[in-house]
Amino acid sequence: DIQMTQSPSSLSASVGDRVTITCRASQSISTYLNWYQQKLGKAPKLLIYSASSLQSGVPSRFSGGGSGTDFTLTITSLQPEDFATYYCQQNYNAPRTFGQGTKVEIK
Amino acid sequence: EVQLVESGGGLVQPGGSLRLSCSASGFTFDEYAMHWVRQAPGEGLEWVSLISWNGGTIDYADSMKGRFTISRDNAKNSVYLQMNSLRTEDTALYYCVKEGVTGTRYFDLWGRGTLVIVSS
Repeated sequence: DIQMTQSPSSLSASVGDRVTITCRASQSISTYLNWYQQKLGKAPKLLIYSASSLQSGVPSRFSGGGSGTDFTLTITSLQPEDFATYYCQQNYNAPRTFGQGTKVEIK
Repeated sequence: EVQLVESGGGLVQPGGSLRLSCSASGFTFDEYAMHWVRQAPGEGLEWVSLISWNGGTIDYADSMKGRFTISRDNAKNSVYLQMNSLRTEDTALYYCVKEGVTGTRYFDLWGRGTLVIVSS
């Protein structure tokens, strides 16, 4: 199975900060990488697919990058509604493994 | 409204069985692959199972193989997860998830989940 490792596991940031979350795959997955946002008590929501494509309706302050084994999710100018847990997921092959999550908290 | 609604969760003893159901609406159900993803209390997301649009492709996470069975009824816009030989570690919120259009392999619609508690 492909292992997905996110860093950091949690971070504290202020409104307006630029935040970057990293996801590393245990083998090359090209750009078969998605990012999801999960708010407390809610179902996950797709943010980014194919490493860098923004899902319809997602604010442009979210962006994704990377290929191969190393990927990033960046939030420019963090907003109050962005405090949540973020997960990466590989869809290169089965099983469709997720990272362990990165919790973004208010500083 | 485009939505997925899960049902069938509950409290079951170790070794018991449950059948989860997911009812879809607002989109052409028989055009999309469907998945189950679970989340143990306070933990991350774990992919459980996949079924293709016509049921021709089915897959499971290793720890569920031989115990869980996914199926779908396109006439009823529904997908199911039969869970047998349940273990305490199967305790989780089970989400029904729609995959994007063929080839995209991302999860673009999630239900609210149904809670399964395995305990004696």
